[in-house]
Amino acid sequence: GAVVSQHPSRVICKSGTSVKIECRSLDFQATTMFWYRQFPKKSLMLMATSNEGSKATYEQGVEKDKFLINHASLTLSTLTVTSAHPEDSSFYICSASRDRGWEQFFGPGTRLTVL
Amino acid sequence: QKEVEQDPGPLSVPEGAIVSLNCTYSNSAFQYFMWYRQYSRKGPELLMYTYSSGNKEDGRFTAQVDKSSKYISLFIRDSQPSDSATYLCAMSANAGGTSYGKLTFGQGTILTVHP
Repeated sequence: GAVVSQHPSRVICKSGTSVKIECRSLDFQATTMFWYRQFPKKSLMLMATSNEGSKATYEQGVEKDKFLINHASLTLSTLTVTSAHPEDSSFYICSASRDRGWEQFFGPGTRLTVL
Repeated sequence: QKEVEQDPGPLSVPEGAIVSLNCTYSNSAFQYFMWYRQYSRKGPELLMYTYSSGNKEDGRFTAQVDKSSKYISLFIRDSQPSDSATYLCAMSANAGGTSYGKLTFGQGTILTVHP
């Protein structure tokens, strides 16, 4: 149980385009979903926290207009990277929590490459 | 000063060795302490968690937390090549409000166990 999927697993796009990444909790309802960004050989950096039906809470320094997060249901959250640029290239990982505790279940990640 | 400090390594050990991984932290509000394993291009998977101070053992893995020193450790006994991965420590205060469930990660230690 507690499986989280992400789609796509890998995406390559041209500079200036927008990319949407989906995060789904497959066998549980996620009260909260988190979006992380990870650079090579670096730790996970929390970008934002989202609760179903409400606006996401972004971490300091993360542009909310650049990284649009929607948490439309208890099993689905989406991250849209708008007008992507090469510096947005990274590994994006989502996680989901069943309650408001510490336990998060991580997705397999999405590798974004912006040319 | 980062909230969580972890030596990135890399750490290379022979098969069968005992591995010691460590993190220090500065936020005394942290109550939940986790170790995650991350294989290349994959999402993190939870190895062990500990609440407050103490030891916890699970097979070849032992987690230790010393809150007085703000220091946590993960020991791997009889290490195997399949243990080769990045190991991330993470912590949570699990406080109320917007910080609920928020994890703060260490940088991760790259471990290679060679046959």
